[in-house]
Amino acid sequence: DTEVTQTPKHLVMGMTNKKSLKCEQHMGHRAMYWYKQKAKKPPELMFVYSYEKLSINESVPSRFSPECPNSSLLNLHLHALQPEDSALYLCASSQGLESSYNEQFFGPGTRLTVL
Amino acid sequence: GEDVEQSLFLSVREGDSSVINCTYTDSSSTYLYWYKQEPGAGLQLLTYIFSNMDMKQDQRLTVLLNKKDKHLSLRIADTQTGDSAIYFCAERSGAGGTSYGKLTFGQGTILTVHP
Repeated sequence: DTEVTQTPKHLVMGMTNKKSLKCEQHMGHRAMYWYKQKAKKPPELMFVYSYEKLSINESVPSRFSPECPNSSLLNLHLHALQPEDSALYLCASSQGLESSYNEQFFGPGTRLTVL
Repeated sequence: GEDVEQSLFLSVREGDSSVINCTYTDSSSTYLYWYKQEPGAGLQLLTYIFSNMDMKQDQRLTVLLNKKDKHLSLRIADTQTGDSAIYFCAERSGAGGTSYGKLTFGQGTILTVHP
């Protein structure tokens, strides 16, 4: 299984809603990532988890809250988002930050629209 | 900081070769990657090259690396309409050991293949 899955595929939410994005991989990878991607732009790194611990937070606003309940799952909790947060949210995983190669496998993304 | 530059658009006829170019600034880059993104989808790793290599060939794909000029190219032979997508060049520096090798992406090249 070389797949990263993400749910939901699409999400529309209001600015007062609370929602969560989910990501799952069964490749035994120990590093997982959240990226935000605006249309026709490259992905921007948000968070990195290594061995279920938050390793990198790229100065992301607190309205985005990541969680890694176990080595296969990564969540992104959303609360009080702004319309400019509308984007494609991509999850990725890799063998581990200590691996010299560390290829990142990406999921299909969740298309988020904030009204 | 690190910077990766790509031309934004490339248009070719079906059956021709496509060459997508990329330049980067970080001389400590260890791995360089080419990702493909189709509309509404996540990123798919096409190929990568380690910084001590000059060339890598994988079926229709040829990657050339000029480390002195910090120039990377991706050649797609016999381009097909299914190759139409956005192609991102990415570089990874600081790899190995426990250091985190952050991916820095270029802006992406939109490849359009005409029948």
